[in-house]
Amino acid sequence: QKEVEQNSGPLSVPEGAIASLNCTYSDRGSQSFFWYRQYSGKSPELIMSIYSNGDKEDGRFTAQLNKASQYVSLLIRDSQPSDSATYLCAVNVFYGGSQGNLIFGKGTKLSVKP
Amino acid sequence: DTAVSQTPKYLVTQMGNDKSIKCEQNLGHDTMYWYKQDSKKFLKIMFSYNNKELIINETVPNRFSPKSPDKAHLNLHINSLELGDSAVYFCASSQVPTGYYNSPLHFGNGTRLTVT
Repeated sequence: QKEVEQNSGPLSVPEGAIASLNCTYSDRGSQSFFWYRQYSGKSPELIMSIYSNGDKEDGRFTAQLNKASQYVSLLIRDSQPSDSATYLCAVNVFYGGSQGNLIFGKGTKLSVKP
Repeated sequence: DTAVSQTPKYLVTQMGNDKSIKCEQNLGHDTMYWYKQDSKKFLKIMFSYNNKELIINETVPNRFSPKSPDKAHLNLHINSLELGDSAVYFCASSQVPTGYYNSPLHFGNGTRLTVT
């Protein structure tokens, strides 16, 4: 059973701090890693994708990938109250042919306090 | 210019009824999905269609029947609704199946189903 694990939180950080969200995955063959943000009552929204080891930065967001450790993280710099949401880690699993899936973690709820 | 749209947004119905949810995408994607998000916010895939062909059919009661008339549309019909079916159902699409490299999902706004 392929799995994606996240700490469910809640993770509480003060405004302006760095929020660090972590995710581990079980399938060594996974090649695509995504972070989605989901506000309460809304649909998941793609905020970052990463495919190779190292860091990828986009504005205040940095995704980090370490395939050897099967670990992917998301850093949010200068956290704002508007960043308060549930962050979902998603990892692809390829079974062969056209069979494959995007497996989601259970999400980490982030709360940014003014 | 909504990318993935699903209707209705809310669905309240009684046990035993049959209901349908419709989904359409205008992104030109080949693959569409139904996901279920339970009260604990866990997103789980139910079905996936690639170019109208069913490619993923997870362990879902056969009361749930998807239909894809063309690659831009994917509908979900649910027979004999049960209390445990209450959840948010998301339609999603991707350019190619998500098992492949670099194929993120784009979600619709969700349908909140409440069975009483």
